[in-house]
Amino acid sequence: NAGVTQTPKFQVLKTGQSMTLQCAQDMNHEYMSWYRQDPGMGLRLIHYSVGAGITDQGEVPNGYNVSRSTTEDFPLRLLSAAPSQTSVYFCASSYRTSGGRIDTQYFGPGTRLTVL
Amino acid sequence: AQSVTQLDSHVSVSEGTPVLLRCNYSSSYSPSLFWYVQHPNKGLQLLLKYTSAATLVKGINGFEAEFKKSETSFHLTKPSAHMSDAAEYFCVVSAPFGGRRALTFGSGTRLQVQP
Repeated sequence: NAGVTQTPKFQVLKTGQSMTLQCAQDMNHEYMSWYRQDPGMGLRLIHYSVGAGITDQGEVPNGYNVSRSTTEDFPLRLLSAAPSQTSVYFCASSYRTSGGRIDTQYFGPGTRLTVL
Repeated sequence: AQSVTQLDSHVSVSEGTPVLLRCNYSSSYSPSLFWYVQHPNKGLQLLLKYTSAATLVKGINGFEAEFKKSETSFHLTKPSAHMSDAAEYFCVVSAPFGGRRALTFGSGTRLQVQP
């Protein structure tokens, strides 16, 4: 199993450009999520999905879109990049328990994004 | 509602000495609790988890944590620190419902290990 893969590893954008961060998992997990990690702020949830065709907003969704057309893939789109979106982005996937809890999350290696 | 407080943002120990990283939580439900480790420039990796079975949970690399309901704590310990333990550690609580608040992350504790 490759686990959770993310591409690219590094990206530099200019203000106003758009791009897509790719995320894929091969563990048949129903739950997938995107986080951003900024110094001193821990991980903040951007968007999440509980299955193919179902997505919802997290804590900091503005400026980002997601879609989930398959169980495996969960791309994150930056619509018009801003310097405030400079961050490290992590994708994660997990099962949910029969009680609805999110179980162990498996994280990708991250994408380090700089917006100039 | 739920919350997680990691009581120390930085902890420094000497190699071979014990490690204690503190985590307090609050939850309206019986929580599941996790500790994750993040090495520099890497993603997070599960160290251990508590899911209402044994209150003393053993994880990878010699770490363990004890769930204490009366103290609402889930502190992470290791008897003897190794240089490779230097990393950031996150305590996480999982609630029994979905939505954007299904998981709550602590702000992290950076562990430094001195030779």
